[in-house]
Amino acid sequence: DAGVIQSPRHEVTEMGQEVTLRCKPISGHNSLFWYRQTMMRGLELLIYFNNNVPIDDSGMPEDRFSAKMPNASFSTLKIQPSEPRDSAVYFCASSSYGEGNQPQHFGDGTRLSIL
Amino acid sequence: EDQVTQSPEALRLQEGESSSLNCSYTVSGLRGLFWYRQDPGKGPEFLFTLYSAGEEKEKERLKATLTKKESFLHITAPKPEDSATYLCAVQGGGYNKLIFGAGTRLAVHP
Repeated sequence: DAGVIQSPRHEVTEMGQEVTLRCKPISGHNSLFWYRQTMMRGLELLIYFNNNVPIDDSGMPEDRFSAKMPNASFSTLKIQPSEPRDSAVYFCASSSYGEGNQPQHFGDGTRLSIL
Repeated sequence: EDQVTQSPEALRLQEGESSSLNCSYTVSGLRGLFWYRQDPGKGPEFLFTLYSAGEEKEKERLKATLTKKESFLHITAPKPEDSATYLCAVQGGGYNKLIFGAGTRLAVHP
């Protein structure tokens, strides 16, 4: 079975540029989560969706960050403009909400470096 | 505020030397406690879900237990391939997001 697919795996760009990270959740999952992982702060939830609707975006650091989920099989996380402090590994995860406490399954992440 | 604290931050073991990792938590209305394993350059990989105090789950050399305040991940006779970062997370009442601890970096040497 295909897992959560993220692209690109690595992104290096200059400060001020727009960055778009992409995620394809596991087929049939109806919850999608975006996380950021750094050495200093660990794994932090940025935003999550249930049935394509954003439920909690309290973890989004500032207005430069935005996320969309236009359909059940695709989501994007956009940073505009990017700053060096945005450098981190960004993970997408998906799960089945409403069927008990189903675990979240993670992609392998996008390693983002802002120069 | 929901919170998860893992200890130790790092653990070095000899192959075959059993030990335990700790996950202490405070959460309003625990719905589930999750253990994940993360290898370098990879996303967290799901291991176990525990729902109530007294519950135990096992998988190969790993055994997870749960009390009302903490969870332990016991590693019996570890092998070098068990080396990874182990993450604990809780899910509280009213939401399906996870609150993660900082993790324990485990290194098992032959």
